[in-house]
Amino acid sequence: GENVEQHPSTLSVQEGDSAVIKCTYSDSASNYFPWYKQELGKRPQLIIDIRSNVGEKKDQRIAVTLNKTAKHFSLHITETQPEDSAVYFCAASIGGSYIPTFGRGTSLIVHP
Amino acid sequence: NAGVTQTPKFQVLKTGQSMTLQCAQDMNHNSMYWYRQDPGMGLRLIYYSASEGTTDKGEVPNGYNVSRLNKREFSLRLESAAPSQTSVYFCASGTAPYGYTFGSGTRLTVV
Repeated sequence: GENVEQHPSTLSVQEGDSAVIKCTYSDSASNYFPWYKQELGKRPQLIIDIRSNVGEKKDQRIAVTLNKTAKHFSLHITETQPEDSAVYFCAASIGGSYIPTFGRGTSLIVHP
Repeated sequence: NAGVTQTPKFQVLKTGQSMTLQCAQDMNHNSMYWYRQDPGMGLRLIYYSASEGTTDKGEVPNGYNVSRLNKREFSLRLESAAPSQTSVYFCASGTAPYGYTFGSGTRLTVV
């Protein structure tokens, strides 16, 4: 089955800096890669996703890049703000399938 | 439009007691999932249901059973709770590549 590795487990940055979280996956058939943000005590919520026919996708301060050859994808957050502090999860799944495999999460701390 | 609704939000059980966690979605999704979340372990799949009438084991199914009652509802049952089942449980629904929606979670403590 699919295996997703996520790094780092904890990331501490100063407000205004950029943050990058990286994930690798094992199944070359995976073609859908969502990212979730989970604030303390809340449910994971989708913030951005990318499909395998696209190399990069941006949404304001958030971007995701995908390298299918190397089987890795990354979340980039620019101009970080304290409200970006949360746990971020990556996931990989095969389109049409029904089992997303999640990474173990990255705790992002943005210091004012 | 409620999305995914889970009940209860909090529960304390004694070892050996049983309980059922309820989940319902109103998004007409075929697929539904139960995950448990423990510190440092991410989201681990307990059971999933690809469609009404089917269920399958995930990564950590021992000690749990599920029922897909209809397209909307997917319940998780603990027959004899153990302290190792203390966790936060999330129900989710959806299918790639359209995204997954999570319920608000159930914080379960087994003493």
